[in-house]
Amino acid sequence: AQKVTQAQTEISVVEKEDVTLDCVYETRDTTYYLFWYKQPPSGELVFLIRRNSFDEQNEISGRYSWNFQKSTSSFNFTITASQVVDSAVYFCALSEAEDSSYKLIFGSGTRLLVRP
Amino acid sequence: DTEVTQTPKHLVMGMTNKKSLKCEQHMGHRAMYWYKQKAKKPPELMFVYSYEKLSINESVPSRFSPECPNSSLLNLHLHALQPEDSALYLCASSRVRQGARDQPQHFGDGTRLSIL
Repeated sequence: AQKVTQAQTEISVVEKEDVTLDCVYETRDTTYYLFWYKQPPSGELVFLIRRNSFDEQNEISGRYSWNFQKSTSSFNFTITASQVVDSAVYFCALSEAEDSSYKLIFGSGTRLLVRP
Repeated sequence: DTEVTQTPKHLVMGMTNKKSLKCEQHMGHRAMYWYKQKAKKPPELMFVYSYEKLSINESVPSRFSPECPNSSLLNLHLHALQPEDSALYLCASSRVRQGARDQPQHFGDGTRLSIL
């Protein structure tokens, strides 16, 4: 069965600290896709990044970076020089196909609080 | 501003009422989704429509009735709900690519539903 584990329930840091959010996944598929979403207090889930299983290149986007390692089934997310606006719940997700559709298997989420 | 618009933002209803949640997108996406999210939990998939046809129903009680009148609109009709149905209801949309699960889902702000 597909599963996503985010072991960190809540993380609190002071502004400008770096922080890493962990994501470990389980799948039997040889081709799969992983996603990170951010959910601020307003409620909307904001898509951050997609990674496919055959591309292990790490990605950097501004202060955000992602480390994908198939050997450890992990897809970790690092925020450099955190800011108060980064405070949100972050979800890691794995896509699972069903016929012509697919669904997202979400981890339980990590709540990040960045204090001024 | 999100590209998926949900109305209303908030809804309070009694257990005997009938109401509908609406979702609209104009990104040309042919897959649309309903999720239910309880506080401090990840979103749980309820329904998926692909090309205006119901493709996934996650064993949702019949008091929730989805409808996809056209490729831009998705409704969720509510009737005889229970207090435990109080939650944030999120709508999402994505492109459809046969055999591929890599298309990110784009979410609306959600409707916060309270059942009295």
